[in-house]
Amino acid sequence: DTEVTQTPKHLVMGMTNKKSLKCEQHMGHRAMYWYKQKAKKPPELMFVYSYEKLSINESVPSRFSPECPNSSLLNLHLHALQPEDSALYLCASSRVATGVTEAFFGQGTRLTVV
Amino acid sequence: QKEVEQNSGPLSVPEGAIASLNCTYSDRGSQSFFWYRQYSGKSPELIMSIYSNGDKEDGRFTAQLNKASQYVSLLIRDSQPSDSATYLCAVTFRVDSSYKLIFGSGTRLLVRP
Repeated sequence: DTEVTQTPKHLVMGMTNKKSLKCEQHMGHRAMYWYKQKAKKPPELMFVYSYEKLSINESVPSRFSPECPNSSLLNLHLHALQPEDSALYLCASSRVATGVTEAFFGQGTRLTVV
Repeated sequence: QKEVEQNSGPLSVPEGAIASLNCTYSDRGSQSFFWYRQYSGKSPELIMSIYSNGDKEDGRFTAQLNKASQYVSLLIRDSQPSDSATYLCAVTFRVDSSYKLIFGSGTRLLVRP
């Protein structure tokens, strides 16, 4: 089983709203990732969590706030977003955050900021 | 700057032909290399991983790695129209005690019936 589940699948939010994206995996993976993907572009790394601790923040604006409450869950809290933040947000997980493990992606949340 | 380079394509091949996709990367210390397939509007799907020099075969797919040349490739034999997708090369780069998985820009493959 290589399933990573993301909710919601689609989200429309206003620039003053606060919303959260959720990601869950039950594969016992200890590394989880958030990526952002714009149309016709590759996934762009935002955050890496390793053993529930933030290990990499790719200089993401503070209007994106990640949280890892436990080893199975990863959240991305959104506040005061801009229309240019509209994108597909992808969660992934891997066994550990080392250089030799495969990462599996969820189906993504398509976010539209209006 | 950690980089992964791919030809954006599109690469157009007839059904039944071999499709050859290429990727180069900037960090000689990288250890893990992956190929993902992404259909339009969907998330990336892992199709191959390779960690040591040489070839690795899985069904119609063969991944090839040459660390000295910092080059990874993916061959798809007996290409089918259902193989039409964007193929993303991904490479891990070490950052302090953690690792990043960085993607190339992807090559769009079109298999003509």
